[in-house]
Amino acid sequence: DTEVTQTPKHLVMGMTNKKSLKCEQHMGHRAMYWYKQKAKKPPELMFVYSYEKLSINESVPSRFSPECPNSSLLNLHLHALQPEDSALYLCASSPPTSGIHEQYFGPGTRLTVT
Amino acid sequence: AQSVTQPDIHITVSEGASLELRCNYSYGATPYLFWYVQSPGQGLQLLLKYFSGDTLVQGIKGFEAEFKRSQSSFNLRKPSVHWSDAAEYFCAVGEYGNKLVFGAGTILRVKS
Repeated sequence: DTEVTQTPKHLVMGMTNKKSLKCEQHMGHRAMYWYKQKAKKPPELMFVYSYEKLSINESVPSRFSPECPNSSLLNLHLHALQPEDSALYLCASSPPTSGIHEQYFGPGTRLTVT
Repeated sequence: AQSVTQPDIHITVSEGASLELRCNYSYGATPYLFWYVQSPGQGLQLLLKYFSGDTLVQGIKGFEAEFKRSQSSFNLRKPSVHWSDAAEYFCAVGEYGNKLVFGAGTILRVKS
């Protein structure tokens, strides 16, 4: 099973709201990722978790707060977002982090900030 | 830093025709290369990967890619395109720390 699930599929939030995106995988992968994808652009890496610890933060604004409560679950907490944060947010996972491995992506959450 | 170039932003092919999507990379050592496909509003699906060994790699959905070190290329091919292949295709190279560097993508349109 190479499935990564993400909820919700769509989210509309105001600039003062607090919301969370959820990602789950049951492939035993120990690396998980958040990407942001704007229309007609490739995905941009935001965060990498390795063995439930944050290993890479690509200078993402603090209004995005990741969390990895266990090896199967990854959350992205959102607060005080801006309209330019509207995008498709993709989660991915990959096998143990030594070396380079393929990443498996979820279907994404389409976020609209009003 | 590594980079990936996909020279074609859009490509249109007729259904049943052959397809080649171009990808060039910039990397000093042996690269770890990937092709992903993305349908509108969906996540990315891994088509194939190249790490080492045979330079002709077979993937899912009838796709293949050939690694050519001398040309720094990893072009994606399919002998006969189906209407359902219309999507955006991303070439990527793996970096230390298991990061992916993506190309800008190529949008494939299939005409009947």
